[in-house]
Amino acid sequence: QSVLTQPPSVSGAPGQRVTISCTGSSSNIGAGYDVHWYQQLPGTAPKLLIYGNSNRPSGVPDRFSGSKSGTSASLAITGLQAEDEADYYCQSYDSSLTSYVFGTGTKVTVL
Amino acid sequence: QVQLVQSGAEVKKPGSSVKVSCKASGGTFSSYAISWVRQAPGQGLEWMGGIIPIFGTANYAQKFQGRVTITADESTSTAYMELSSLRSEDTAVYYCARAPRVGAATLRYFDYWGQGTLVTVSS
Repeated sequence: QSVLTQPPSVSGAPGQRVTISCTGSSSNIGAGYDVHWYQQLPGTAPKLLIYGNSNRPSGVPDRFSGSKSGTSASLAITGLQAEDEADYYCQSYDSSLTSYVFGTGTKVTVL
Repeated sequence: QVQLVQSGAEVKKPGSSVKVSCKASGGTFSSYAISWVRQAPGQGLEWMGGIIPIFGTANYAQKFQGRVTITADESTSTAYMELSSLRSEDTAVYYCARAPRVGAATLRYFDYWGQGTLVTVSS
C-alpha cells in the first residue's frame, strides 16, 4: 500500500513531452522531504533518474527533469524516445511511518 | 565502478526462512547505507529496511518488524537480509540498494542497486 500516488500509465508519441505526477501528503512530500525518481526497464533493477527533486545523476539525459511543489512532485520527459518505455517510480521519506516510501509506479508507453 | 552483486534465486517452503546477500565493490562500504527493497510480481517497490554498516544498527519498515533481520559484515563488504516465517505473499524479487552518506547524514535516495534476487515461496 503505497503512500505516494502516481497515474498507472501515460503515453506519448516519439518527440512529445509527457509528465508523471506523484502525490503525497503532509508527512512526506509536504513535510519537505525530497522526491527522487527511478526508471525501471523491463526485467531490470531500478535506476536513479532524478535525486533531490530536480538533480540528474551523471549520464542521465537532460530530457528528464523533476520538480516539486507542496505535497506533489512531477517528472517530465521531453523529446520522448522509444528507449524511454519503462516503469517510473517516485520515492520520498515519510516521517509518520519513519520509512522510505515509493510511488505506485507509472508505465510510460511510446506510441 | 560501484557494483552490488546479490546471491542467486531461492525456492523456499512456507514457514521457512531465506537469507539473501549483497556484496559491494568499487566504493567504501562504510561511506554509505544499504537498504533492501522488494518487488512482488507485477507490483511496485516496497522498502523493507536498511543498515549503516559502520554502526551496525538496522531499522525496519513497520510491516516487516519482527520478521526481517538486516546485517552487514564490513570485513567482506557484504550486507544480508533474512526474512522468516515465509508465506506465498513473500514471493518477490529482492533488491539491495545503496544510499550515499555525507558526513553523519544519510541521503535518502538509492544511487546503485543490486541485480535482484528472486525468492519463490511455494509448497
